[in-house]
This record gives sequence, C-alpha cells and structure tokens, in this order.
Amino acid sequence: EVQLLESGGDLVQPGGSLRLSCAASGFTFTNYAMSWVRQAPGKGLEWVSAINDGGGDTYYGESVKGRFTISRDNSKNTLYLQMNSLRAEDTAVYYCAKRSQYRSSWYTDYWGQGTLVTVSS
Amino acid sequence: QSVLTQPPSASGTPGQRVTISCSGSSSNIGSNTVNWYQQLPGTAPKLLIYSNNQRPSGVPDRFSGSKSGTSASLAISGLQSEDEADYYCASWDDTVFGGGTHLTVL
Repeated sequence: EVQLLESGGDLVQPGGSLRLSCAASGFTFTNYAMSWVRQAPGKGLEWVSAINDGGGDTYYGESVKGRFTISRDNSKNTLYLQMNSLRAEDTAVYYCAKRSQYRSSWYTDYWGQGTLVTVSS
Repeated sequence: QSVLTQPPSASGTPGQRVTISCSGSSSNIGSNTVNWYQQLPGTAPKLLIYSNNQRPSGVPDRFSGSKSGTSASLAISGLQSEDEADYYCASWDDTVFGGGTHLTVL
C-alpha cells in the first residue's frame, strides 16, 4: 500500500524558513517523480514543485520560484521542500504527491494527508 | 484566479447524471491531457480520471471523462450521496488546476 507521510508544517513568521519532509513507502521510491501541491484554506489546489526520479531535474511554480527548493534522498525514501522567505500567502496545507506517467503525460496517482504551514506574525 | 475554469458549484439528485466542465486554452488543455481529482470533505485529493478518459482501478465506471479542443468534462452517472465532494481538473502534467467544483447531492 502506497503511503506518503508529510511532516514539518508549523506556524512561522513572515520572512522565515521551514523544511517539509515526506516519507514514502509501499512503492519503489527511486522509480518515480514526486511533487508538492498546496491548498490555501478554503481554496483550490496549486502546484508548487516537482522533481524527477533521480533528483537531477526540478521544476517550480512561478509563485515560489527562487524561494522554495525541492529535493529528495532516495536512500531514505524521503522527499523534501525547503521554504525560505515565507509570505502570508504561502499559508496552506502542503501535499506530497507521487507522479506517474501514461504515454507521454503525467498525473498524480497518490497524495499524502497534508501538513499545514501557517505564515503569520 | 485559477488557470483552468470550472463552475464553482453543481448539483443533482440521486440517480441523476451530472457533468462538470473545465475550460482552458491552447497552451494547457489544447495541447495536453486532462486529469480529474475528487476531494471529499477534510481529506486529500484522490485520482479519478487520468489522460482525459482513463479510470484507475477501483474507480467506479459511473465516472467518465472526455476532452475536446480546449475544454474537458467529467460526467458522473447514477449519482450517489457519497459523490458529494469537490472536483478538480488539472492539465499540463498537473502543473495547472481548475478552481474546483463543489458537487451537492440533493
């Protein structure tokens, strides 16, 4: 059974930093691309970042580019999101997600339960 | 403001067929496949349809998807009370999402 367990969410002041982690199990982590998707309170889903299976290719949404860094440790089956220069608008539940490919297109086949990040003074 | 446009709400009675639309542009839906996600209250999203019309194992065949040009649709037939949820479309390898449609089963 695929499991994605996020941790690291917290209350942080504007301008602060936070690192989220996602422990993966139930599948061969090294074979799959992963992503982070967030959801502000009462709002819709927003893609944040993605990383390929080997960790060498990373991608970011415009709203977080230059402030967030995605990485992975395949020896620990863990995905990370380093968040710097946090703003109030970064307040959201952050979901860790497993990506799969069908033909030449990608989709998200599993989601974690999410971890809440609150940016406020 | 979401990149893909969905109606904020939809409704139907048990047993009815409902459709949810998702509108985009040539740069997203027009040149990429569409995926659909269901989010039950207080839970994480769940994959419902991928690559326009493919159903993952375990998803009932009451759910179907289609795409034409720069728009896509999710159809739910034989509506059930447990289908009450938020539904999101996504495209461009899930880098753009719709704003979500809240489905109410009356």
